[in-house]
Amino acid sequence: AQSVTQPDIHITVSEGASLELRCNYSYGATPYLFWYVQSPGQGLQLLLKYFSGDTLVQGIKGFEAEFKRSQSSFNLRKPSVHWSDAAEYFCAVADFSDTDKLIFGTGTRLQVFP
Amino acid sequence: NAGVTQTPKFQVLKTGQSMTLQCAQDMNHNSMYWYRQDPGMGLRLIYYSASEGTTDKGEVPNGYNVSRLNKREFSLRLESAAPSQTSVYFCAIVQGVGMNTEAFFGQGTRLTVV
Repeated sequence: AQSVTQPDIHITVSEGASLELRCNYSYGATPYLFWYVQSPGQGLQLLLKYFSGDTLVQGIKGFEAEFKRSQSSFNLRKPSVHWSDAAEYFCAVADFSDTDKLIFGTGTRLQVFP
Repeated sequence: NAGVTQTPKFQVLKTGQSMTLQCAQDMNHNSMYWYRQDPGMGLRLIYYSASEGTTDKGEVPNGYNVSRLNKREFSLRLESAAPSQTSVYFCAIVQGVGMNTEAFFGQGTRLTVV
């Protein structure tokens, strides 16, 4: 069965610093991978997604993620964090060709210090 | 979020009471999902429906029932609410094919069982 692991529950960075949020997945075939962001009290917003092709994916708000099949990872990065990036981030994997499920990781809460 | 409407937004129940969470989409798509979100647990899939008239259990189905009477609506019912069901509930749909695939979420229902 598919699964997603986000090893970091909570990350704190200074504004302007670089950011990397980790995501590891377990899936037999080529996965469909997503990153979502959730601001406090809000719903989920899609940052970016990967299905195939170029392994470096650009998203909204200056985020990017790199798919590494050898490491079963899909880490989210941003070169310079802004205070407004403070939120919870979720990685997700899907298999729309079979069970049609979208499975989420447990999330990483990002705190940004001025 | 556009296309997915959840009601109610907030609800307080007493232990043992029943209620139905409603979800409606106007995007004419097949797959619909119900998730619950709890601190440190991420989003866990309760039930999903790959198409009208079909439903399947997700990761945490106990204590819930669902109904997909038509393509547009997917409801989640708590027959006898328990404090452990205090959570934020999200309905989601999946739109598109291949690279255009994306999940859209409702704004959530914050349920408290006392």
